[in-house]
Amino acid sequence: DGGITQSPKYLFRKEGQNVTLSCEQNLNHDAMYWYRQDPGQGLRLIYYSQIVNDFQKGDIAEGYSVSREKKESFPLTVTSAQKNPTAFYLCASRVSPGEPTEAFFGQGTRLTVV
Amino acid sequence: AQKITQTQPGMFVQEKEAVTLDCTYDTSDPSYGLFWYKQPSSGEMIFLIYQGSYDQQNATEGRYSLNFQKARKSANLVISASQLGDSAMYFCAMRNSQGGSEKLVFGKGTKLTVNP
Repeated sequence: DGGITQSPKYLFRKEGQNVTLSCEQNLNHDAMYWYRQDPGQGLRLIYYSQIVNDFQKGDIAEGYSVSREKKESFPLTVTSAQKNPTAFYLCASRVSPGEPTEAFFGQGTRLTVV
Repeated sequence: AQKITQTQPGMFVQEKEAVTLDCTYDTSDPSYGLFWYKQPSSGEMIFLIYQGSYDQQNATEGRYSLNFQKARKSANLVISASQLGDSAMYFCAMRNSQGGSEKLVFGKGTKLTVNP
């Protein structure tokens, strides 16, 4: 079945460590997105990518980095520079920019700093 | 700048009644699209309905309809005949182009509670 897979589902990180969240899709979608969700804040856009080897900063990119070396993969690294990384992270993909189609979401990764 | 505003942090509705969830948006791009998603307590995001900026008619999907008022920049979600399973967070979202790239931005959401 086609879809988006995020792993792991739960992740614990010590302060000062970098950690990478995985996002893989087999939908052949061009556009991919990373969001952070905090209680009462909705989904805030971290990074997005429309084609391989290209990505743009979203509204809260500081302390995060991404890569898009393959169409199906868009990993997110939470660096030690991110002051408050504890949150629920969602990855999404869409067919391509400009298309009137919905975004498909992964199941999310809940990151906790310990 | 692109922005989605959902002014209702929480809403309550009786089972079998209709409810309207508000969404206003801000964009200078003439071509854009509006989405509504449902997020149950499990965390998954469920797509409900889509409205394009050039669509002449309001979108409908089963019990969901979108009251699109372009001049007012509003895209309210109407849920008819509410069910207990409709209790969840609801998010309004917009896609539009900015500087040649397309963003997909979300509002802060509305928590809907359906009472028996």
